[in-house]
Amino acid sequence: DAGVIQSPRHEVTEMGQEVTLRCKPISGHNSLFWYRQTMMRGLELLIYFNNNVPIDDSGMPEDRFSAKMPNASFSTLKIQPSEPRDSAVYFCASSLRIGGASVEYFGPGTRLTVL
Amino acid sequence: KQEVTQIPAALSVPEGENLVLNCSFTDSAIYNLQWFRQDPGKGLTSLLLIQSSQREQTSGRLNASLDKSSGRSTLYIAASQPGDSATYLCAVSPSNDYKLSFGAGTTVTVRA
Repeated sequence: DAGVIQSPRHEVTEMGQEVTLRCKPISGHNSLFWYRQTMMRGLELLIYFNNNVPIDDSGMPEDRFSAKMPNASFSTLKIQPSEPRDSAVYFCASSLRIGGASVEYFGPGTRLTVL
Repeated sequence: KQEVTQIPAALSVPEGENLVLNCSFTDSAIYNLQWFRQDPGKGLTSLLLIQSSQREQTSGRLNASLDKSSGRSTLYIAASQPGDSATYLCAVSPSNDYKLSFGAGTTVTVRA
């Protein structure tokens, strides 16, 4: 398996523009996570999907952020409008949760810079 | 709210020395603890997962211990190599739950 795939790897945009980050989880995994990593705040969970359903979006910072998972093999994280403070590395991770502990597999991340 | 602390923030050792990385957490009611490795510009890779009922886990040169009562975990890396240079993060989950709380990480440099 190719692992978790994220695109783009780097995104530079101007304040006010819409940004869409994409994620393809590992085939067969039923859980998907979006994280944000910054120097100031470390790794933060933004949203968690289980079987394509959003279970917890309490980490989404503002209404400017939205996430979708239309099927088991694709998810998007959208920021509209983007702001400079959204600059961070955004990670997607997936896992197979069947009760009990499960290991999360992380993608390589998307480095977002909002000017 | 669970707080996870990793000290030191950075560590530099000569090749061959054993590494000891510390992780502490404030709420001992955890379900499991994981150690991850992060290379620059890359995602996280899970190294070891310790269930709350376990005391330690081993994988090759890596050994992680868990003391729930004192809220501590230690990652040992034996006979360090330059390829071990990376940032190591620990993360705890509060229950049979998905919400991992991450530490800020310890950045390790192994000098050849």
